[in-house]
Amino acid sequence: AQTVTQSQPEMSVQEAETVTLSCTYDTSESDYYLFWYKQPPSRQMILVIRQEAYKQQNATENRFSVNFQKAAKSFSLKISDSQLGDAAMYFCAYRSRKETSGSRLTFGEGTQLTVNP
Amino acid sequence: KAGVTQTPRYLIKTRGQQVTLSCSPISGHRSVSWYQQTPGQGLQFLFEYFSETQRNKGNFPGRFSGRQFSNSRSEMNVSTLELGDSALYLCASSLDIFYEQYFGPGTRLTVT
Repeated sequence: AQTVTQSQPEMSVQEAETVTLSCTYDTSESDYYLFWYKQPPSRQMILVIRQEAYKQQNATENRFSVNFQKAAKSFSLKISDSQLGDAAMYFCAYRSRKETSGSRLTFGEGTQLTVNP
Repeated sequence: KAGVTQTPRYLIKTRGQQVTLSCSPISGHRSVSWYQQTPGQGLQFLFEYFSETQRNKGNFPGRFSGRQFSNSRSEMNVSTLELGDSALYLCASSLDIFYEQYFGPGTRLTVT
């Protein structure tokens, strides 16, 4: 079974600064997806960024980028130029590419990000 | 395009009762997954339905069940409610298994 670990329960950053959230995972599979989801106080889960394990290039979405280290099973999220609207709980998630696993996501414990003005 | 909708948004039930939660996926999406979110256990996968068939099931007791209708709308049912069933229940829909999942706003269930 796959596991996802986020070792930072809470992080804080000053507005306009950069912050990195950490995530490690454990799997015996070689083909999978990794995601970062954001859950603001409204509780609506929003996809931030996605990485396919077979792609060596790190994914980037505007101010959000990842550092994907497949051998180390590490998947960190970097938020540049942090904005007040980035304050939320961030979840790292794993999804297998095996058809038998379907769309099932395995989530980490979450990191609560505070952005200070 | 309308997003994933879940009804009701809030629910209060008593121990021993049963409850049914509803999820309407984005139009055209055939896969619906359900997750339970609690402070203690975090986000846990309940089950996934695709074209009216349960495709995947998480590690939850048989009191938790679900179904999907021909229009892809899904319901989940919890029978004989326990205090520990108090949680935010999230529904997510996608076109198919390798496509992005879009989450609904959740149903907050409180069991007293």
